[in-house]
Amino acid sequence: AQTVTQSQPEMSVQEAETVTLSCTYDTSESNYYLFWYKQPPSRQMILVIRQEAYKQQNATENRFSVNFQKAAKSFSLKISDSQLGDTAMYFCAFMKHVAAGANSKLTFGKGITLSVRP
Amino acid sequence: NAGVTQTPKFQVLKTGQSMTLQCAQDMNHNSMYWYRQDPGMGLRLIYYSASEGTTDKGEVPNGYNVSRLNKREFSLRLESAAPSQTSVYFCASSEGQVSSPLHFGNGTRLTVT
Repeated sequence: AQTVTQSQPEMSVQEAETVTLSCTYDTSESNYYLFWYKQPPSRQMILVIRQEAYKQQNATENRFSVNFQKAAKSFSLKISDSQLGDTAMYFCAFMKHVAAGANSKLTFGKGITLSVRP
Repeated sequence: NAGVTQTPKFQVLKTGQSMTLQCAQDMNHNSMYWYRQDPGMGLRLIYYSASEGTTDKGEVPNGYNVSRLNKREFSLRLESAAPSQTSVYFCASSEGQVSSPLHFGNGTRLTVT
């Protein structure tokens, strides 16, 4: 079974600064996918970024980027130029690769609450 | 632009009562999921449906049943609600292909007294 660990329950950052959220995972799989989801106070779950384990290049989406260290099983999220709208809970999630036609499930970490200070 | 629609948004039940949470998606997705979210626990998978006509247990299925009514709809039923089922419930769907991201509904906050 896979596990996802987010050891920091809360973080705070000043607006316009950069913050990094940590995530580690444990798996015996060699091919898998990693995700970061954002949950603002509205409760909606929003996909932030996705990384394929077979890709060495770190994924980026505008102000969001990841540092994927496969050997260390680490998948951190960096938010640059933090904005007030980034205040949310952030979840790291793991999905193992399955054969075509089989079902993939997401395993989530416990989440981290990020507060952006004005 | 509906995406995944869950009803109701809020519900209060007494211990022992039953209810069904409804979920529908309009993205022609094959797979659908039910998660529960509890403080400090993240999201845990209750049941999922890989495709129409199939359902499987997830991590925490006890006390729940599901029905994949058709490709669009996936309902979650609590036959005899317990206080331990107080939670926020999320329905999600995905194309079902490898690495397809999940699209979530806005959740149902359920309180069992």
